[in-house]
Amino acid sequence: GNSVTQMEGPVTLSEEAFLTINCTYTATGYPSLFWYVQYPGEGLQLLLKATKADDKGSNKGFEATYRKETTSFHLEKGSVQVSDSAVYFCALKSAGTASKLTFGTGTRLQVTL
Amino acid sequence: GAVVSQHPSWVICKSGTSVKIECRSLDFQATTMFWYRQFPKQSLMLMATSNEGSKATYEQGVEKDKFLINHASLTLSTLTVTSAHPEDSSFYICSARDQGQGIDEAFFGQGTRLTVV
Repeated sequence: GNSVTQMEGPVTLSEEAFLTINCTYTATGYPSLFWYVQYPGEGLQLLLKATKADDKGSNKGFEATYRKETTSFHLEKGSVQVSDSAVYFCALKSAGTASKLTFGTGTRLQVTL
Repeated sequence: GAVVSQHPSWVICKSGTSVKIECRSLDFQATTMFWYRQFPKQSLMLMATSNEGSKATYEQGVEKDKFLINHASLTLSTLTVTSAHPEDSSFYICSARDQGQGIDEAFFGQGTRLTVV
């Protein structure tokens, strides 16, 4: 079956530091890949996505590249801000599964001044 | 993006009672909604897929008689935890599928933290 593995947190960084949150997946076929973010007290929001190999999703300074050869979709940001503190979820959706998402465990990011 | 409202945000109930959680799509119609459960430090686990006007499809291992899902309209799905026990304490999250205007994306509610005492 499908599965998503992401690095355990929490990740604590100083403002303007470089961020990488690793995500690898197992799936049949060619899934779509997503990063969701959950700010305190709020629901999950789609941060970025990629639907095919070598696609790069990007939003709000975050980016992730769909690497089929390594089955990875690592999230990166060059310079984090305090406002980026949140929980980040990597997820995948297999084709034809009517938007059923498989999530990773989530990684809490804490950015300090 | 589209807005999904989940209510209540948190609830405490006594063992043996039932609790209803509502999930509403505020600015779009959703023929499909999803209910997830999240345990501490674990990923979101899909419980069931709710389809408007028909029975929900439950994932393996989820008790349909315990977790009743009703999707009576295109903007509302409800999850009722019946005869709740402490082991049902968890964070429940819904999402609604928006397929309007050339998109196909799931939008999430803010979640409901259920504590059964």
